[in-house]
Amino acid sequence: QVQLVQSGAEVKKPGASVKVSCKASGYTFTSYYMHWVRQAPGQGLEWMGIINPSGGSTSYAQKFQGRVTMTRDTSTSTVYMELSSLRSEDTAVYYCARIDSSSWWGQGTLVTVSS
Amino acid sequence: DIQMTQSPSAMSASVGDRVTITCRASQGISNYLAWFQQKPGKVPKRLIYASSSLQSGVPSRFSGSGSGTEFTLTISSLQPEDFATYYCLQHNSYPYTFGQGTKLEIK
Repeated sequence: QVQLVQSGAEVKKPGASVKVSCKASGYTFTSYYMHWVRQAPGQGLEWMGIINPSGGSTSYAQKFQGRVTMTRDTSTSTVYMELSSLRSEDTAVYYCARIDSSSWWGQGTLVTVSS
Repeated sequence: DIQMTQSPSAMSASVGDRVTITCRASQGISNYLAWFQQKPGKVPKRLIYASSSLQSGVPSRFSGSGSGTEFTLTISSLQPEDFATYYCLQHNSYPYTFGQGTKLEIK
């Protein structure tokens, strides 16, 4: 059974960086792209970007270009999303998701940015 | 970037009502459109993929239609468990984009 298990909640100060992990299991890790989606409190879903776990290629939403880096570790079937220069508006739940023939989501990671 | 304009942003309806939610794309996206349902504190659940294909396990009262720039999600007879927020997602080209959401509340 497909499972995406994300790392725990984080509290960061403005200007810092956060790195969220998403460990995949139950399928061939390199066969399916992984998305990152975030949701600020009381707001809608926002697509951040995508990574191909096979070759590591990425595509990011323009809004996050220069601040986001998505990587993967094929030895542990884990993808990572690092967001830098955090500001209060980055406070949100961050999800990894496989959205292809099926739709599988991690449980979400709350990142709180506060001084 | 392709913008997805979803309407209405909120609506109230009664159990048994027929409800339609619309998403318009700023340019043609063929049928690369999915619909998600999200309940408070829960992960989004995909209902429809490829504009009109019902995800396995989703009740048949949900249906999707459209191609190009205009898409609809229809719930034929609202059930109590359907009160939630609905989002469309275009996956024709990067960056993928969600609609802003439709919050469906009980009248």
